[in-house]
Amino acid sequence: GQNIDQPTEMTATEGAIVQINCTYQTSGFNGLFWYQQHAGEAPTFLSYNVLDGLEEKGRFSSFLSRSKGYSYLLLKELQMKDSASYLCAVGYSNYQLIWGAGTKLIIKP
Amino acid sequence: DAGITQSPRYKITETGRQVTLMCHQTWSHSYMFWYRQDLGHGLRLIYYSAAADITDKGEVPDGYVVSRSKTENFPLTLESATRSQTSVYFCASSEGLAGAAEQFFGPGTRLTVL
Repeated sequence: GQNIDQPTEMTATEGAIVQINCTYQTSGFNGLFWYQQHAGEAPTFLSYNVLDGLEEKGRFSSFLSRSKGYSYLLLKELQMKDSASYLCAVGYSNYQLIWGAGTKLIIKP
Repeated sequence: DAGITQSPRYKITETGRQVTLMCHQTWSHSYMFWYRQDLGHGLRLIYYSAAADITDKGEVPDGYVVSRSKTENFPLTLESATRSQTSVYFCASSEGLAGAAEQFFGPGTRLTVL
């Protein structure tokens, strides 16, 4: 099957930097999404990577390596409001979108 | 209001009852999706629709029925609810196919089956 692997939980300190990794199976890869989901709320879109490299959007950046089946989401200058789950989702050429179970990020003051 | 809405937001029902979850979007997006979200699992696709009157099964369709008579509405029916269908259900819409375009999610329906 097409498994998406990401850590279950991470803890970081306010003001610091954290990197959330995601690995996936490369066959048929079309693109990779990152979504943010606060507790009790709906997922909201953060980024979409199709090509290799780093895409920066303010405090958030997303990196993709297609050959390695690897992506990461980098969050800088962490704020308490960044406490949330971060979902990695991979689109495949059969128009399937496979979701990881999410990484719960806990920010400590 | 613009966007995507779901109703009810919370529902408690009993095993064997029929339940319908409603989803409405105002963007005229062609594609609509129903997911369930359970602890320890990623979002799992139940059904999706590419346009009015076009629906197809996702990863976990058993026990669910959908219809799409109008572009803006995509109701999900649990024909005979079971405890294993206790979950949070999200409806989403998109301008493009799954895996190729951003999806916009409704606020979710938390369903408990007793």
